[in-house]
Amino acid sequence: NAGVTQTPKFRILKIGQSMTLQCAQDMNHNYMYWYRQDPGMGLKLIYYSVGAGITDKGEVPNGYNVSRSTTEDFPLRLELAAPSQTSVYFCASSPHLIAGVGEQFFGPGTRLTVL
Amino acid sequence: QKEVEQDPGPLSVPEGAIVSLNCTYSNSAFQYFMWYRQYSRKGPELLMYTYSSGNKEDGRFTAQVDKSSKYISLFIRDSQPSDSATYLCAMTWGGGFKTIFGAGTRLFVKA
Repeated sequence: NAGVTQTPKFRILKIGQSMTLQCAQDMNHNYMYWYRQDPGMGLKLIYYSVGAGITDKGEVPNGYNVSRSTTEDFPLRLELAAPSQTSVYFCASSPHLIAGVGEQFFGPGTRLTVL
Repeated sequence: QKEVEQDPGPLSVPEGAIVSLNCTYSNSAFQYFMWYRQYSRKGPELLMYTYSSGNKEDGRFTAQVDKSSKYISLFIRDSQPSDSATYLCAMTWGGGFKTIFGAGTRLFVKA
């Protein structure tokens, strides 16, 4: 199993550009999440999904969109990139609800810089 | 006030030392408490989790939860250079998808 994979590893965007961060998992997990990690701030939940076709907002959804057409894939779309979106983005998946048993499996992250 | 407070460190200890990592929190509704380890330029990985108050031991690692004080700890015995990483505490409550993470404590174990 490859686990959770993310592409690209690094990206530099100009203000106003758009891009899609890709995330895929091969563990047949129902639950998937997108986080951003800023220095000294911990991980913040952007969006999550409980299954194909079902997504919902987390703590910091503004400026982002997601879709979940298959169990395996959960792409994150940035429209009109802003410097405030400079961060490290982590995708995670889980076989269970966070609350309760089970753990989140994280991908290696995408480092995004918006200039 | 942040929901979860964690000293960012860095914490530097010699090999073999006992390490104590701590978090405080403000929301008494939290029931599940986790510790994640994150190596440089990698994603976090779950180290331990506990439900409600008490201790849990796994090899060299012990997690403690004191809900009355809203305080959780991770102890690492006989620390090794391979334990050098950032340790994130995390917590959540039943029925939701929202996990609150601490900012992480950077630990360096010197050989």
